[in-house]
Amino acid sequence: QQQVKQSPQSLIVQKGGISIINCAYENTAFDYFPWYQQFPGKGPALLIAIRPDVSEKKEGRFTISFNKSAKQFSLHIMDSQPGDSATYFCAAVYNTDKLIFGTGTRLQVFP
Amino acid sequence: DSGVTQTPKHLITATGQRVTLRCSPRSGDLSVYWYQQSLDQGLQFLIQYYNGEERAKGNILERFSAQQFPDLHSELNLSSLELGDSALYFCASSVEGRGSTEAFFGQGTRLTVV
Repeated sequence: QQQVKQSPQSLIVQKGGISIINCAYENTAFDYFPWYQQFPGKGPALLIAIRPDVSEKKEGRFTISFNKSAKQFSLHIMDSQPGDSATYFCAAVYNTDKLIFGTGTRLQVFP
Repeated sequence: DSGVTQTPKHLITATGQRVTLRCSPRSGDLSVYWYQQSLDQGLQFLIQYYNGEERAKGNILERFSAQQFPDLHSELNLSSLELGDSALYFCASSVEGRGSTEAFFGQGTRLTVV
């Protein structure tokens, strides 16, 4: 019940395309949903986050869509660039600080 | 730079040995988390400390232990090492409190057990 399921495991997108990564959860106690971006050899870094009372949040080319009733949320990367090539982790938080990660999606953007 | 410092960056050791990984959290952060990242397991939560006290335990083996010291730095001790313990070990820190949910990750320690 504390799991966060993430798909796809890997994603190949052409430059300028839209990258979409999906996550689903079961525990309704989760109250914060961050996305982390990890480049090879680096630690994960917060990219964008959303609370369940908001259906969408946009920051530049990155958008989180949140469907509370379906217990699903997704990351959309518009106009994907080669520099976006990284591993993306969705996560869910409960009790303000217990962070549960999805399994990760390796994104490759080709020129 | 996240402000979280992990040492060493790389560690190579033999099976059966014991190692200690060190983490210095961001200034002011009271919570420290340890994660294990292997190729096929993603980011696995091991353990969390808050202001010196154990707060939550994840998939941490009995051969592993951790502690957080009064100066808030943390150490992860791995003993009786096995080949399967080879992984990246990340430390993260956060300011606990309602709304303070961003965790900042260090660069990780790459452990290779041979």
